[in-house]
Amino acid sequence: EAGVVQSPRYKIIEKKQPVAFWCNPISGHNTLYWYLQNLGQGPELLIRYENEEAVDDSQLPKDRFSAERLKGVDSTLKIQPAELGDSAVYLCASSETGAVGELFFGEGSRLTVL
Amino acid sequence: QQQVKQSPQSLIVQKGGISIINCAYENTAFDYFPWYQQFPGKGPALLIAIRPDVSEKKEGRFTISFNKSAKQFSLHIMDSQPGDSATYFCAASKAFSGYSTLTFGKGTMLLVSP
Repeated sequence: EAGVVQSPRYKIIEKKQPVAFWCNPISGHNTLYWYLQNLGQGPELLIRYENEEAVDDSQLPKDRFSAERLKGVDSTLKIQPAELGDSAVYLCASSETGAVGELFFGEGSRLTVL
Repeated sequence: QQQVKQSPQSLIVQKGGISIINCAYENTAFDYFPWYQQFPGKGPALLIAIRPDVSEKKEGRFTISFNKSAKQFSLHIMDSQPGDSATYFCAASKAFSGYSTLTFGKGTMLLVSP
């Protein structure tokens, strides 16, 4: 069974440019998370979806970040415009709704803003 | 406010030794405490987890010890091997209350020397 798939794995952009990251969760997992991981730090939640509904987006900087999960499957995280401080790894994870168990993480998308 | 505090930041252990990583939490509503392992360039993966009604859980060489009154839990890796070299994150959530989002510690970089 395929795991959580993210793309692109690496992205280098100039500041003020837009960037988008895509995530395909494990089949059947209705809960999807986007986490931000700065170098040498633990992951921090940006947004959590239950199906297509964003149920926890309090940590998402809404002035420049946006996310969507159309049809409750794939998700896209967008940054516009990117700032130097956005350089980090963006992790997507999924889990079974209502189940107490593990979050399955993708390999992440590493963003470098120059 | 850092809800999950992890120490040490880094750890070097001889092959065959015991690695010990500690975490402390503040929110008494947390009811699920997992440890995740992350290798360079990969996403975090669940290693072992515990509920607060259990004081210890062992899976192979990995043991979680849990002290509810002190609001602390720790990971012990027995007979540490070079392949255990990775970054370890403790985490906590209110999963049994229906809130599955994990709050992570800052991580411990473990190096097991041959």
